Amino acid sequence: GAGVSQSPSNKVTEKGKDVELRCDPISGHTALYWYRQSLGQGLEFLIYFQGNSAPDKSGLPSDRFSAERTGGSVSTLTIQRTQQEDSAVYLCASSLAAGLTDTQYFGPGTRLTVL
Amino acid sequence: EDQVTQSPEALRLQEGESSSLNCSYTVSGLRGLFWYRQDPGKGPEFLFTLYSAGEEKEKERLKATLTKKESFLHITAPKPEDSATYLCAVDNQGGKLIFGQGTELSVKP
Repeated sequence: GAGVSQSPSNKVTEKGKDVELRCDPISGHTALYWYRQSLGQGLEFLIYFQGNSAPDKSGLPSDRFSAERTGGSVSTLTIQRTQQEDSAVYLCASSLAAGLTDTQYFGPGTRLTVL
Repeated sequence: EDQVTQSPEALRLQEGESSSLNCSYTVSGLRGLFWYRQDPGKGPEFLFTLYSAGEEKEKERLKATLTKKESFLHITAPKPEDSATYLCAVDNQGGKLIFGQGTELSVKP
């Protein structure tokens, strides 16, 4: 079946602009996660959604970052007033259910470059 | 502070030369340890989940083991197509994975 998909695959933007990154999870997966992978650093947790519960936003680095998940499926990560340090690969993952140590399956990522 | 450390950072092997990758962790309560493989320009690909000390899992040339403080990914008779970055991650809070920096494996023919 189809895996996690993300769009766009690459995004180049100018400092100060807003960007939106999209994630389509695996059908039937109730949990959705966003991570960031910066050059020379490991994957860093940003936020996760579980069903209709309030999202865990504890990993968001600043209030310029926000995410929403509509209808329990597609998610959008928004970065406002982008900075050069936001340049990274943004990865989305989904799992059947969070809190049950369920396997997270990752999408291909969106490479964001802020000039 | 919860932490995951992988070693070595990079490993170069000749085809057929077996070796092991290490993942040591300090977490308040381990719910699961995950191994992923990541090829350049792609997202991590799931390999194994280990839940308790003493557990072992195998897939083709790969075998993962777990103790109370570390996990090993053993690679037997590797092939060039095994070249990738191998990532270790732990789950201690029901969902948020803490990743190590990864081990970049290169297998030369």
